[in-house]
Amino acid sequence: KNEVEQSPQNLTAQEGEFITINCSYSVGISALHWLQQHPGGGIVSLFMLSSGKKKHGRLIATINIQEKHSSLHITASHPRDSAVYICAPHTGNQFYFGTGTSLTVIP
Amino acid sequence: NAGVTQTPKFQVLKTGQSMTLQCAQDMNHEYMSWYRQDPGMGLRLIHYSVGAGITDQGEVPNGYNVSRSTTEDFPLRLLSAAPSQTSVYFCASRGGNYGYTFGSGTRLTVV
Repeated sequence: KNEVEQSPQNLTAQEGEFITINCSYSVGISALHWLQQHPGGGIVSLFMLSSGKKKHGRLIATINIQEKHSSLHITASHPRDSAVYICAPHTGNQFYFGTGTSLTVIP
Repeated sequence: NAGVTQTPKFQVLKTGQSMTLQCAQDMNHEYMSWYRQDPGMGLRLIHYSVGAGITDQGEVPNGYNVSRSTTEDFPLRLLSAAPSQTSVYFCASRGGNYGYTFGSGTRLTVV
């Protein structure tokens, strides 16, 4: 069962490009998290959102609850953005995780 | 330093051995959880807790036990290690507006 689908699975971009990662989910949720996992393995929470849009530096996350879809955008991408980005919607204490989008940004 | 402290970072066990993975947080978060991450698969929830004295099973609880005697600590016990439990384990807490805070992970190999 795949409650969460992310696309693309892998993405290679040139430094400076605008990047979009998409997340579609099939369950009703109360909020959605975007996580970043660096090659060293550590996981960092980027955003938690339940509606609309949030921005943090060059990162923008949007969510459309009715369409069950969220996007993560990276403006002016940089090699240090290379990581796996994971979408994690949840409802109450039930969490779901996408398998992640592996992003490589080439200088 | 505020955050989630997870130990050990690496561990090799023999089949049948037991061990405890430690997880502690100092942010007074009520919600804590354990996940395993396997190649090609997303994070999978093992057990979670919504407060001291309260635990519940996640998606893949078999072979693991947890307890939550204090708000700060949430240890994960492997009762009798099996090669199928070879994985990377993450502890995480959740609270406030900051979403998850993850531990640094434990890479466990069962031989």
